[in-house]
Amino acid sequence: GAGVSQSPSNKVTEKGKDVELRCDPISGHTALYWYRQSLGQGLEFLIYFQGNSAPDKSGLPSDRFSAERTGGSVSTLTIQRTQQEDSAVYLCASSLVQGAVGYTFGSGTRLTVV
Amino acid sequence: RKEVEQDPGPFNVPEGATVAFNCTYSNSASQSFFWYRQDCRKEPKLLMSVYSSGNEDGRFTAQLNRASQYISLLIRDSKLSDSATYLCVVNSVSSASKIIFGSGTRLSIRP
Repeated sequence: GAGVSQSPSNKVTEKGKDVELRCDPISGHTALYWYRQSLGQGLEFLIYFQGNSAPDKSGLPSDRFSAERTGGSVSTLTIQRTQQEDSAVYLCASSLVQGAVGYTFGSGTRLTVV
Repeated sequence: RKEVEQDPGPFNVPEGATVAFNCTYSNSASQSFFWYRQDCRKEPKLLMSVYSSGNEDGRFTAQLNRASQYISLLIRDSKLSDSATYLCVVNSVSSASKIIFGSGTRLSIRP
């Protein structure tokens, strides 16, 4: 697609429920990144994909967080048993190759856990 | 110590003023540097890369000082539309896959 597409744009969920966040990167971009941003804070790295593999998962905050990428394209970030501290904007970015300057962000998913 | 540190601001300056802010990084082997801009409740967008020799894009000038490990952004003749948060970004060499974002400097231009 023309840009990085994320869905849903907003999600309100009850504490303890599972959520899935989707990222559709720019067509042909092999690198895909997930970040999260809490209110008034900087971006916190979560996970990086090169193709379908995730060489760097170091930012995932707990084992409740997982992500996958299929077909070298769409990625899903899953948060199980959501907690209130998971509330944040989850941003996905893609680039043509790893670490390249052409880092394009999606508009994010605003997750609120109540 | 954070890998990338910025003064959070806010910087509140009148329209037409020149404003500059710095960002320090801890890893001397870092190789790539960028400034991103983030408007309120929007995603970050690349403003400019920062080259060793310094670079300019219209009213914006970016500088890199490797000896002191900081990068700077200078905005001349500031406009109301420059109001945003400016994120310093450094390519981490501890993990080549990761680009480290600073927490951002908030800039507010007043009429």
